[in-house]
Amino acid sequence: DAGVTQSPTHLIKTRGQQVTLRCSPKSGHDTVSWYQQALGQGPQFIFQYYEEEERQRGNFPDRFSGHQFPNYSSELNVNALLLGDSALYLCASSFRPGSEQYFGPGTRLTVT
Amino acid sequence: QKEVEQDPGPLSVPEGAIVSLNCTYSNSAFQYFMWYRQYSRKGPELLMYTYSSGNKEDGRFTAQVDKSSKYISLFIRDSQPSDSATYLCAMSPEGAQKLVFGQGTRLTINP
Repeated sequence: DAGVTQSPTHLIKTRGQQVTLRCSPKSGHDTVSWYQQALGQGPQFIFQYYEEEERQRGNFPDRFSGHQFPNYSSELNVNALLLGDSALYLCASSFRPGSEQYFGPGTRLTVT
Repeated sequence: QKEVEQDPGPLSVPEGAIVSLNCTYSNSAFQYFMWYRQYSRKGPELLMYTYSSGNKEDGRFTAQVDKSSKYISLFIRDSQPSDSATYLCAMSPEGAQKLVFGQGTRLTINP
C-alpha cells in the first residue's frame, strides 16, 4: 500500500522565481492538505483541497496557490519566491476532511 | 501567545527510561489530539490519534488528554534508541480541517 508521495525531494530556486510542488495521496484518500515547516518549528497549515476545491486556508498570502486533480493528486504553487519561503513543504492526505492526516516525506525548498 | 505550547527540549534520557512529553493549549474548541514522530529530514509519522478527554494506549505509547486543564501528554515506556526523534503534538477543533502543531520536542535516548 503506497503512502503519500511528494516530488521533487529537493529544490533550489532564486528569489522572485515560481515553483510547483506535487503530491499523490495515500491509496483510498481523497483529501490533501499542505503545510510549511520552517527549521526547528512545527508545521504550519497552508490549505486543504477536497473535491477539487480549496476548503480551508491558513494565514498565507495569495502567492501560495494550489490545485487538486480528479485523481486526488495535488499541486502547490508559490509565486514571487522570497528567502523566507525556504522550508520543508509537507503534504498530508486523509479520507475526507477532518479525519486522520498522514504525511509524505516532504519537499525541501531552498530560495537563494 | 501561541495556540499550542510545547517545550522544544532537547530532552535526553537513558535507554529503558519512561519518557513524558507534554503540550498545553489555549483554544477550548480543540477536540482532536494527535502525536506525530518526525525523524531528521523526514515527514511526520502519526503515532496516536484521540478524541476529547481520556487515555489511549498503543504498545509502549500512552496518550493522555485533560481538557479541563488544556493539557495533553505522551508517555513512552521502555524507551529505545530508535525512539530518538522530534515529537510533535497537534490538535484541531470539531469539523475543522487544519491541524495546529506545537513546536516539537527533540528527544534523544542514550544506549
